[in-house]
Amino acid sequence: DVKVTQSSRYLVKRTGEKVFLECVQDMDHENMFWYRQDPGLGLRLIYFSYDVKMKEKGDIPEGYSVSREKKERFSLILESASTNQTSMYLCASSRPPGQGADEQYFGPGTRLTVT
Amino acid sequence: EDKVVQSPLSLVVHEGDTVTLNCSYEVTNFRSLLWYKQEKKAPTFLFMLTSSGIEKKSGRLSSILDKKELFSILNITATQTGDSAIYLCAAPYINNAGNMLTFGGGTRLMVKP
Repeated sequence: DVKVTQSSRYLVKRTGEKVFLECVQDMDHENMFWYRQDPGLGLRLIYFSYDVKMKEKGDIPEGYSVSREKKERFSLILESASTNQTSMYLCASSRPPGQGADEQYFGPGTRLTVT
Repeated sequence: EDKVVQSPLSLVVHEGDTVTLNCSYEVTNFRSLLWYKQEKKAPTFLFMLTSSGIEKKSGRLSSILDKKELFSILNITATQTGDSAIYLCAAPYINNAGNMLTFGGGTRLMVKP
């Protein structure tokens, strides 16, 4: 059973703070993803990683960076949090193409509020 | 650009009602369409559809794909309060780096007792 965990369920930070969101998966998946979810906008991809130390920008990378030093861990960093980054953040992982279904496995989400 | 659109945006029904959720897509090199259910936390996988006209069924939930008209529907019969959730559909695509998902905006379903 795939398990994706995220470090916090709820987080409140102040404008300008540096914020780290951690995600760990236990299925040795190569691909990992960070999304944000806002009402009516669905899930939008921020960054993804297809291997250790490899990262690619998604659709909305501005204001975010990521780190993947180990295969199982993918971190999302808000260098200077702003109120428009208040959102639900979801991490996901998947196998690479050709190794099974397209399904992504999601973590429980972190609801971040920036005041 | 690949696009997935869901309707309605939200829906309120009473227990026992039947609901139909819609998902239309415009995807280059279509491979499959996925449905997820999201309650208060992680989206959980429901169905993957690859072939037109073949219904996938799990209990009171069923889904079907129409590749000619580029849409899918998710049906829930005899709804229960536990069906209250956001339902997401997504279409995979592959870029140079790997396999990705384009998500629709979701349909928020509320089932009242």
